[in-house]
Formats: sequence, C-alpha cells, structure tokens
Amino acid sequence: EAEVAQSPRYKITEKSQAVAFWCDPISGHATLYWYRQILGQGPELLVQFQDESVVDDSQLPKDRFSAERLKGVDSTLKIQPAELGDSAMYLCASSSRLDNEQFFGPGTRLTVL
Amino acid sequence: ILNVEQSPQSLHVQEGDSTNFTCSFPSSNFYALHWYRWETAKSPEALFVMTLNGDEKKKGRISATLNTKEGYSYLYIKGSQPEDSATYLCALLGSNYQLIWGAGTKLIIKP
Repeated sequence: EAEVAQSPRYKITEKSQAVAFWCDPISGHATLYWYRQILGQGPELLVQFQDESVVDDSQLPKDRFSAERLKGVDSTLKIQPAELGDSAMYLCASSSRLDNEQFFGPGTRLTVL
Repeated sequence: ILNVEQSPQSLHVQEGDSTNFTCSFPSSNFYALHWYRWETAKSPEALFVMTLNGDEKKKGRISATLNTKEGYSYLYIKGSQPEDSATYLCALLGSNYQLIWGAGTKLIIKP
C-alpha cells in the first residue's frame, strides 16, 4: 500500500541551528501539505503545494522557515535558525485532489534545546 | 471564519462499552467534514469524509453522522476495544480547500 514517507522521524537540535525535514508523497498526488502540530492542538497548516507551486504559505514564518517542492514530487521544509518554540510534530500529507482525504506521513518530532 | 470545536478533550472508556464524541462548528459554509484517527507513533488515518446534511458513514464498529443545520457531527464507537485508543480529529474542508482542524478527542480504552 502506498504511503507518505518522512524523514527523519525524530530530530533533536540546539536553538540557532538549522534543521531540514523531507517528505515523499504518494506517487501521483499533486497536492502536498506541511503541518505543524503542538501537543493538545490540532494540526496547523504551514504550506500547501499544488505540483511545484506554493498555493498557500500564509502561516509559514518566512523569516526562518522555507519550503520547496522543486520537481513537484518530494518536498523539503527547512528551519533556520531553530527556536525553542519550534518544538513540535511536523506532519506531511498528500492528496490526489484538493477535496479528497489527505494521507499523512509518520511525522518528524522536533525538539529544540 | 470557520472554527472547529471537539468535545470532550479526553475520554476514558471501559473495554466493551460504547462511546461517542462531538465535533461542532458554527457555520455550514464548508465542502466536507473529515474524521481522522491518530494512534500514538503512527500517522493520522482518514476514517470518513462526509459531505451532506444527514450523511451517515460506517466502518466496522465506528460510525459517524453529520448535521449541518445544527452544526455538529458525532463519531460513535460500538463495543470499544483497546485498539480504538487514539486521538480522533475532526476537520472541515473550507472554501479554499484547506482543512481546519479541531484539537481532537483523546480516547483511552481501559481493559
């Protein structure tokens, strides 16, 4: 069964360091999402791609976060420099259509010390 | 602006008992309502996508109803089992085709 892949699963870093997360969506899924989930809250959308184009990044803290999906397949989310408040679960999801269910990867648990 | 509320925040249920929890929203201005189950150390998994008022979906022991006029959706679990322990998330698909998420209901089944 096709799955969304994410790596790493866990990342511990010190504040002011750079971190990067990778996501490989289900083959053929044009829409890719990056979410941040803080314990006790629902996922918060950071950025949405349609193929290689950014559809919405209004909630992405652009002073330190960047995301790309150069070939419209896999995607990278970067944080530089990391801050203590960035500690969270970062989830990647993909869907075949905008109105379809989203398929999630296992997430990356980021801890910033 | 759509706002999604889920209640209760957490729930302890004895194995074998049935249970239900709620997703409520103030407006019916959305395309669909999604229910997801998120087990610890696993990926969130879609349970149901509901689109119509009066819509009812069922998958095994789990079912869901949607009442857009009253502004709520219920998720029911019949005869709870330990493997049902998870956080259940509700999300609305808004006019911009983005999901607006509730904070979830954490369900713990006691053996």
